[in-house]
Parts: sequence; structure tokens; C-alpha cells
Amino acid sequence: AQSVTQPDIHITVSEGASLELRCNYSYGATPYLFWYVQSPGQGLQLLLKYFSGDTLVQGIKGFEAEFKRSQSSFNLRKPSVHWSDAAEYFCAVGDFQGGSEKLVFGKGTKLTVNP
Amino acid sequence: DAMVIQNPRYQVTQFGKPVTLSCSQTLNHNVMYWYQQKSSQAPKLLFHYYDKDFNNEADTPDNFQSRRPNTSFCFLDIRSPGLGDAAMYLCATSRDSRGLYGNQPQHFGDGTRLSIL
Repeated sequence: AQSVTQPDIHITVSEGASLELRCNYSYGATPYLFWYVQSPGQGLQLLLKYFSGDTLVQGIKGFEAEFKRSQSSFNLRKPSVHWSDAAEYFCAVGDFQGGSEKLVFGKGTKLTVNP
Repeated sequence: DAMVIQNPRYQVTQFGKPVTLSCSQTLNHNVMYWYQQKSSQAPKLLFHYYDKDFNNEADTPDNFQSRRPNTSFCFLDIRSPGLGDAAMYLCATSRDSRGLYGNQPQHFGDGTRLSIL
């Protein structure tokens, strides 16, 4: 069965520092991968997605992610974190079944940004 | 402009008293999903509609039901809420993935936080 692992439950960085959030997946075929961000009390917002092609994917808010098939990873990065980036981040793999994809989420990584 | 709208944002109900959460969308998407998210956990898919076809997850309790009267609206009914049902409930939509290359991303509403007294 497909699964997603986010090894870091909580990460704290200083504003302006670089950020990398880790994500590993288990999926038998070509994965469809997503990163979502959730601010407190809000729904999930799509940051970026990978379907195929260029393994370095650019997203919104200055985020990018790199797909590495050999490592089964899809890590999220940002060169300089802003205080407004404090939120919970979810990595997900899409499981295509019968015309509608189901998302399998990791448990999330909570990001705290220190001033 | 909000494209997936959930009402209300906060809902309080009594133990055992039926409650209905609503979701509407302006995206004209074929697929609508309901997720349950408990504190500090990942969203868990309860069920989804592909057009009018209802798809229940195997581990979704019978206490949870859903209705989709038209493309724009979808409802989550909890027949007899228990304390363990207190959670954030998220609605999401996506386009039809059949015949298209790649999964279509899901668009989420802001959720309804349900509290049980």
C-alpha cells in the first residue's frame, strides 16, 4: 500500500534561514506527489505538485521541491524563510483509482519561525 | 474569491444529536471529498463522490453519511456524534482525472471545526 513518511514532526528555523522539509514515499508506480500547507484553523493550500518531467518543481510562495526516484523522496525547500511561513506542511501521494485520485498524506511537519 | 466554501466554520453539537456540515463549490468539479482531521494529525479521507457515485472508505464508521444533491453542494451528516468525532472536517474538490494526464490537484475549503458537548 502506498504511504508517505515525514520524519520531522516539528522544525524550528530562524527568519531568513533556509528550510528543507523531508518527505519519503512508498508507491509501486510513478508517483503523483504534492505538498500542501495548512495555517492554523485553515484548510489546505496546494504549494506545488509533481507529475512527471523536470524533477525540480517550483511552487507558490517561493517554495520548490525535488523529486528523487532513487531515494523515494520529494523534499520541500525554501532558500529564505519568512515569519508568515509558520504553518503545518503535508506531503501527499496521489493514488489514481477509477477517475478520482485519493490523497495519502504524511503526518505533517509543523514549522515554527523564530524572529 | 473562495472556491470551496464550508459552512459553518465552527459547529457545536451535543453528544448524540445529529449534525450536518455543508460544502459548496464554484469550480464545477466532478469530484468532492470529505476528510476528517483530528488535532495534530493528517487528514483522513472519509468518502468521496465522483459525480453522483458515492465511494465510501472501508474504515469510515456507519455514523457518517453524505449527500450530494447537485454538482455544487455536498453534505456530511453525522447521525449520532460521539466525543471521538470532535475534529476539523475538510471538504475538497478536484476535476475529472479520467482521460487526462496526471492526477488533478484537490482544492480544499477552510474546514468546519466540530465540537461535541
